[in-house]
Amino acid sequence: DTGVSQNPRHKITKRGQNVTFRCDPISEHNRLYWYRQTLGQGPEFLTYFQNEAQLEKSRLLSDRFSAERPKGSFSTLEIQRTEQGDSAMYLCASSLSMGEGTEAFFGQGTRLTVV
Amino acid sequence: AQSVTQLDSHVSVSEGTPVLLRCNYSSSYSPSLFWYVQHPNKGLQLLLKYTSAATLVKGINGFEAEFKKSETSFHLTKPSAHMSDAAEYFCVVSELNDMRFGAGTRLTVKP
Repeated sequence: DTGVSQNPRHKITKRGQNVTFRCDPISEHNRLYWYRQTLGQGPEFLTYFQNEAQLEKSRLLSDRFSAERPKGSFSTLEIQRTEQGDSAMYLCASSLSMGEGTEAFFGQGTRLTVV
Repeated sequence: AQSVTQLDSHVSVSEGTPVLLRCNYSSSYSPSLFWYVQHPNKGLQLLLKYTSAATLVKGINGFEAEFKKSETSFHLTKPSAHMSDAAEYFCVVSELNDMRFGAGTRLTVKP
């Protein structure tokens, strides 16, 4: 399968613990996006990469969140000192570029539950 | 900044009847507009997209949408609903590398 892959699919963690999620984009895609989706809401933009460079971060991304994309391939999203409010679905998407009309392809997401 | 309003959080139709999911957008530029569908436990899938070509856009599974600049709308329609259309639908506006999602419309299809 050559789609966007996210691991793990589900993560349950205790409050205060650190978690890390991984996203493997479609291989030739140079842009990679992270979104967060809570119940009953649309996905909210968190951050995006052009190759290995992190070009934009949302104000939603507090200092407990960090994302990396070494070598412009896979990406990781780490949440430190998790809080119950971090419980959500974390979605990754990739695209070739974001010129006019370029769609993003989404993974199935990682569902985080903080207990 | 751009924004999207999906006017209905939930739409219920009978199988075989038309579907209308409403979307209004706000944008400072000439945006790209998309509709994505999300089935339970599945990833977001692109239904259709508008760039700056034809204002009536045809997508997969019989869906289409019409871009109306004067009304800042991009409503999604389908002539005849199928049970498999039951899902969450998101309208998306994109400008300058920034995709903004609406809150979503849950479509229920009754037998």
